[in-house]
Amino acid sequence: EVQLVQSGGEVKKPGESLKISCKGSGYSFNNYWFGWVRQVPGKGLEWMGIFNPVNSDTRYSPSFEGHVTMSVDRSTYTAYLQWSSLTPSDTAMYFCAIRPAVTASPFDFWGQGTLVTVSS
Amino acid sequence: QSALTQPRSLSGSPGQSVTISCTGSSNDVGGYNSVSWYQHHPGEAPTLIIYDVTKRPSGVPDRFSGSKSGNTASLTISGLQAADEADYYCCSYAGTYTPYVFGSGTEVTVL
Repeated sequence: EVQLVQSGGEVKKPGESLKISCKGSGYSFNNYWFGWVRQVPGKGLEWMGIFNPVNSDTRYSPSFEGHVTMSVDRSTYTAYLQWSSLTPSDTAMYFCAIRPAVTASPFDFWGQGTLVTVSS
Repeated sequence: QSALTQPRSLSGSPGQSVTISCTGSSNDVGGYNSVSWYQHHPGEAPTLIIYDVTKRPSGVPDRFSGSKSGNTASLTISGLQAADEADYYCCSYAGTYTPYVFGSGTEVTVL
């Protein structure tokens, strides 16, 4: 059974750093890319970027490039999304998802989401 | 990269059909046969219900169907059920450098 288990909710202050995680299991790690999707409270889904765990090829949405960093620990099948300096506008639910390593594939499986709250 | 345009909300009675539109451009919806649809019950993980415009993953009822014409894709839910009450998002492939764009989302209410 494919599972993506995300780390728990976080409450942070503006300017702080943060790294959230998404651990995959039940599938061949090398055959899927990780993706991250944001949902601001009351708003829709926004695609943030995708990451190839085999060669670290990363594609960011222009809306997020330079503000977040995606990475993977291949030894633990875990993907990470990190911020060096949070702002209140980063308050959102963040979902990880995986898609097959074939161009234009959809996101087959999703994590349960990590709620990030940034407030002074 | 702007979100694809979906109606904000739709409603229907049990047993009826609803069709959700998803309008983009020739750079995304119109340029590729790679439109997917996700059902999202708030508080849960989204689930894939349609991919490659018309295909259903295993386990998705055939009450859900997809189509596309030009720059607009559509999701039709036939025989509406209470469990179909959710938010629905389209998503299109949009090229090598910024591969994906989501729709603005449609809230479906079963009356």
